[in-house]
Amino acid sequence: DQQVKQNSPSLSVQEGRISILNCDYTNSMFDYFLWYKKYPAEGPTFLISISSIKDKNEDGRFTVFLNKSAKHLSLHIVPSQPGDSAVYFCAASPPYSGGGADGLTFGKGTHLIIQP
Amino acid sequence: ETGVTQSPTHLIKTRGQQVTLRCSSQSGHNTVSWYQQALGQGPQFIFQYYREEENGRGNFPPRFSGLQFPNYSSELNVNALELDDSALYLCASSLSIAAALTDTQYFGPGTRLTVL
Repeated sequence: DQQVKQNSPSLSVQEGRISILNCDYTNSMFDYFLWYKKYPAEGPTFLISISSIKDKNEDGRFTVFLNKSAKHLSLHIVPSQPGDSAVYFCAASPPYSGGGADGLTFGKGTHLIIQP
Repeated sequence: ETGVTQSPTHLIKTRGQQVTLRCSSQSGHNTVSWYQQALGQGPQFIFQYYREEENGRGNFPPRFSGLQFPNYSSELNVNALELDDSALYLCASSLSIAAALTDTQYFGPGTRLTVL
């Protein structure tokens, strides 16, 4: 049972255009969401996050939108650049309750390809 | 550069063998989490260690075990290897248990394990 879903395995976007990556979740206990970027032979690197008390967070070219009622978030990259070509993972976590850790729950990832 | 290192980079084992993977966390990070990323999947939480004790476990059997040492290094041990254990194993370090659920957790580059 996948609690975090990224339904697009790959996405191809022209350089300079907007890239939109989508993520859906089913667990209403999740209250913090993160996007990671991963290049081959490297570990995931943190890109941007959003708390459930917000509906938008922006950092330079990257913006994450959260729609709690739809249990949906999206990552917008504008303008897209060749260096953005990578696999993007959406991850979610519940609030820390003080008990045993549950870790982050990740989606399967979306491979973003920026075409020149 | 996250300051988290893992060794070895690649490893090939045969079914039934045992394997030890190593991780060196950032100095001062007393929390380490291990994740398994199978091909085409997102990282899946194995367990977390905090101050040298296991602090939470995902849906993995007891043949997956770990150790954490006072010098900020840690190990993931897998006994009785199965073909399905072939995956990229990632460790991630953070300053605290709560930080492991946020953007202040740092991943290493991973160890690619192949079980034949």
